[in-house]
Amino acid sequence: QVKLVQSGAEVKKPGASVKVSCKASGYSFTGYYIHWVRQAPGQGLEWMGRISPDTGDRKFAQDFQGRVTLTWDTSISTAYMELSGLRPDDTAVYYCARDLNPVTSFCCGGFDVWGQGTILTVSS
Amino acid sequence: AIQMTQSPSSLSASVGDRVTITCRASQDIRNDLGWYQQKLGEAPKLLIYAASTLQSGVPSRFSGSGSGTDFTLTISRLQLEDFAIYFCLQDYIYPLTFGGGTKVEIK
Repeated sequence: QVKLVQSGAEVKKPGASVKVSCKASGYSFTGYYIHWVRQAPGQGLEWMGRISPDTGDRKFAQDFQGRVTLTWDTSISTAYMELSGLRPDDTAVYYCARDLNPVTSFCCGGFDVWGQGTILTVSS
Repeated sequence: AIQMTQSPSSLSASVGDRVTITCRASQDIRNDLGWYQQKLGEAPKLLIYAASTLQSGVPSRFSGSGSGTDFTLTISRLQLEDFAIYFCLQDYIYPLTFGGGTKVEIK
């Protein structure tokens, strides 16, 4: 069964960094893009960026360019999202999601599998 | 970035009602749009992709239509388990962008 399992909740102080992991199973990890999406409390969904676990190609939303680092480890089928310079308004649930389209496509087909979410709280 | 305007932001409906939610893109996105359902405390779930293709396992009461800039999600006969928030997502071009969401509540 195709699954994405994320790391646990985090509490960080302003200015710190956080690294969230997303472990894939049940499919060829390098075959599909992994996207990162966040949702602030009571708010909508915000796309942050995506990585190709095949080539390492990355795309980012403007608001996160320079503050988000996307990496991956093929040997353990895990993608990572690191967010630096944390602010209280980064408090949110962070999701990883698999793209329906394979990495041979330029873009996207929808997010068919989601991680369970990682709650990040940023507070002094 | 492409702006996705979703309406209404909320609606009240009864079990058995037909419900329609719309998304409008600020530019032509062909049919590169998906619809997602999110229940409280859960991750979103893909319902429709490529504007009108039903994701595997999703009940046939959900349908999507549209192309270009105007899109619609229809729930033909609302069930109790359909009370949730619905989002559209354009996946035509980066950066991907979501609509603001529609909360479907019980009347």
